Amino acid sequence: EAGVTQFPSHSVIEKGQTVTLRCDPISGHDNLYWYRRVMGKEIKFLLHFVKESKQDESGMPNNRFLAERTGGTYSTLKVQPAELEDSGVYFCASSQEAEDYGYTFGSGTRLTVV
Amino acid sequence: AQSVTQPDIHITVSEGASLELRCNYSYGATPYLFWYVQSPGQGLQLLLKYFSGDTLVQGIKGFEAEFKRSQSSFNLRKPSVHWSDAAEYFCALLTDSWGKLQFGAGTQVVVTP
Repeated sequence: EAGVTQFPSHSVIEKGQTVTLRCDPISGHDNLYWYRRVMGKEIKFLLHFVKESKQDESGMPNNRFLAERTGGTYSTLKVQPAELEDSGVYFCASSQEAEDYGYTFGSGTRLTVV
Repeated sequence: AQSVTQPDIHITVSEGASLELRCNYSYGATPYLFWYVQSPGQGLQLLLKYFSGDTLVQGIKGFEAEFKRSQSSFNLRKPSVHWSDAAEYFCALLTDSWGKLQFGAGTQVVVTP
């Protein structure tokens, strides 16, 4: 079974540019989560999709962040315009049933804004 | 308020020695707790989880954790570490029924020969 795939693995962009991160969950997993770890701090929840719907987006930092999940398959997280404080590692996780709590995490995308 | 605290940012341990990583939590109800490990270049891998029942939980890679409600702790242990255990370890708390996790700050483990 293929795992959760995230790309790019690394991205370096200039302040003010736009970046789009992508997450491909495990096939058949309805639940998709985005987390972020900034500057060696705690990993923090960003949002949760159930299929194509946003179930919880309480962790999204501001309106520069836009997440989508087309057709309930892969998800994208766009940052526009990027700021220095957006630098960090963005993780994606998926699970088949929310109540299972059996998440599989991707390797993350390391975003550096310069 | 709910919280997860990992008091040790960095631990150095000799190969073959025992390892204990501390995790304290604050939560108003019965906690669901997890330990994850992140090796360099890898994603977070679940070591073990506690939902209820036996307070001593066995996980993968020879790890175990003990839930102590009276101390609000969920410490991770391994009797004898291997060089491959060098990684960052995260304790996490389930904060809602939809699967949202709150993580501790992580503990970096360095294994010396």
